[in-house]
Amino acid sequence: EDKVVQSPLSLVVHEGDTVTLNCSYEVTNFRSLLWYKQEKKAPTFLFMLTSSGIEKKSGRLSSILDKKELFSILNITATQTGDSAIYLCAVEALRTGANNLFFGTGTRLTVIP
Amino acid sequence: KAGVTQTPRYLIKTRGQQVTLSCSPISGHRSVSWYQQTPGQGLQFLFEYFSETQRNKGNFPGRFSGRQFSNSRSEMNVSTLELGDSALYLCASSYRGLSSSYNEQFFGPGTRLTVL
Repeated sequence: EDKVVQSPLSLVVHEGDTVTLNCSYEVTNFRSLLWYKQEKKAPTFLFMLTSSGIEKKSGRLSSILDKKELFSILNITATQTGDSAIYLCAVEALRTGANNLFFGTGTRLTVIP
Repeated sequence: KAGVTQTPRYLIKTRGQQVTLSCSPISGHRSVSWYQQTPGQGLQFLFEYFSETQRNKGNFPGRFSGRQFSNSRSEMNVSTLELGDSALYLCASSYRGLSSSYNEQFFGPGTRLTVL
């Protein structure tokens, strides 16, 4: 059964802290792994990772994929209150006629001043 | 460019009723996917439509159905509502060309459905 597991489920940190969010997966015919940030309603796209060991970076956020160990991490440095959100990990599988995007339940990050 | 829009934003129904939700994708996007989000299950894929055809389907009962129109707008219908159908229903659009390679999905604000 395909599954995507995120940890921790929730996290509370102080502004300025660095956090690491984890995503492990068991999905056949892996194609890519995606990270989203969901603040109020609509998730917004952060990164897409397809190759192992190549870090994607955007400002204070960075992510890396390990296809051998089947996991990815999302790092946020110097956290700000605006980083408070649910972070979703999704894995895209290459297949036709069936579900091809599997989401984890998310990590709820709360950054307190 | 206008984003993905969903109507209505909030809906309250009673068990046994049916409901239709609407999603208008970003102009030029041909793929519309629907998701159900609940606190316990997270985001779960319902189905994807591309050029008026259902291309992918998740593991939901037949009470959940959808369609896509020639202008790429999509509707989702849930019949015989159950309490467990209470959730946030999100739709997402993407360009998703014929190569079927992944294109970034843009999510709408969602419809919050409450079943009493």
